[in-house]
Amino acid sequence: GNSVTQMEGPVTLSEEAFLTINCTYTATGYPSLFWYVQYPGEGLQLLLKATKADDKGSNKGFEATYRKETTSFHLEKGSVQVSDSAVYFCALIGGSSNTGKLIFGQGTTLQVKP
Amino acid sequence: DGGITQSPKYLFRKEGQNVTLSCEQNLNHDAMYWYRQDPGQGLRLIYYSQIVNDFQKGDIAEGYSVSREKKESFPLTVTSAQKNPTAFYLCASSIEAVSSGANVLTFGAGSRLTVL
Repeated sequence: GNSVTQMEGPVTLSEEAFLTINCTYTATGYPSLFWYVQYPGEGLQLLLKATKADDKGSNKGFEATYRKETTSFHLEKGSVQVSDSAVYFCALIGGSSNTGKLIFGQGTTLQVKP
Repeated sequence: DGGITQSPKYLFRKEGQNVTLSCEQNLNHDAMYWYRQDPGQGLRLIYYSQIVNDFQKGDIAEGYSVSREKKESFPLTVTSAQKNPTAFYLCASSIEAVSSGANVLTFGAGSRLTVL
């Protein structure tokens, strides 16, 4: 079945550092891919998405490119801030084995220090 | 403002007791979902409902029950049959059942259940 794998955390960075959080997926066909963010004590909110190969999703300085050839959707930001500290979830839906359910990775905690 | 309201935010339960978590949305969304979040395990789907008076089991439905009598409401009952109920519970909704990349989930702020 479809699955999503994220790099283990926590990821600890200094303010203004470059961020990469790796996400790879297993699915046939062309699923849609998402990044959700969860700030402390809150629910999840959509950060960005991409619905077809080579699409780049972007929001709030974060970017991720849908790479079909490497089945990846890595999250990047050029200069992180303390306020970016949160848990980030990669997710997918669709593809050839579409169950209609959103499948989440295990989440990666980002800690940004001043 | 439109959104999803979950209550209570924190709940403590003694073993053997049933508890009900409330989820209300004013987004006019057809589909609603319940997820369970445990540290390091991501989100696991408990139940979902695509339309009023209908719901389906997710991946970890055992020990839980739901109802969908109104479009706005999707309460979750954690029964005494759930062996490890301590977790963070998240309710979500979407315009329609999640079936494409155009359709995204809106989440509530969550309810944290602790069994004493």
